[in-house]
Amino acid sequence: GNSVTQMEGPVTLSEEAFLTINCTYTATGYPSLFWYVQYPGEGLQLLLKATKADDKGSNKGFEATYRKETTSFHLEKGSVQVSDSAVYFCALSDQRNTPLVFGKGTRLSVIA
Amino acid sequence: DTAVSQTPKYLVTQMGNDKSIKCEQNLGHDTMYWYKQDSKKFLKIMFSYNNKELIINETVPNRFSPKSPDKAHLNLHINSLELGDSAVYFCASSRDPGEKLFFGSGTQLSVL
Repeated sequence: GNSVTQMEGPVTLSEEAFLTINCTYTATGYPSLFWYVQYPGEGLQLLLKATKADDKGSNKGFEATYRKETTSFHLEKGSVQVSDSAVYFCALSDQRNTPLVFGKGTRLSVIA
Repeated sequence: DTAVSQTPKYLVTQMGNDKSIKCEQNLGHDTMYWYKQDSKKFLKIMFSYNNKELIINETVPNRFSPKSPDKAHLNLHINSLELGDSAVYFCASSRDPGEKLFFGSGTQLSVL
């Protein structure tokens, strides 16, 4: 079945540090890939997505590239801010009318 | 206007009680979901409805019963609450299964 594996947290970084959160997936066919972010006390919201191999999703300085050869969709940001502190979820959709499958989430804490 | 709204935001109750959480979306989406998030932030799908019909019913105790009176509403009723039911419950919606999800802000349920 479909699954998403993302690096365990928590991840603690200083402001302006470089961020990578690893995500790998297992799926049949050609899934769409997503990153969702959950700020404290809120629901999840879509951060970025990519729908086919080699696509790069980007938003708010975050980027992730759909790598079919390594089945990965790692999230990166060049310079994190305190306001980026949140839990980040990698997810996939196999585009066969089944709900998104989420990873277990990675908590990021950015300190000033 | 809030796209996906759920009430109440906080729910504190005694073991054995019956409670309901309500969810409404004004996005015109056909698919709605209930997710449970535990204290480690792990997100697990419970139910999914498409056009008022149940399409996903994960391994959830039958004390949990979803009700969809119309496409815009998906309520969650829980009978005989147990300590292990304490979690944050999120309602979500999407245009179709597998599409981008819009989440409510969550209901934090505490069973004492």
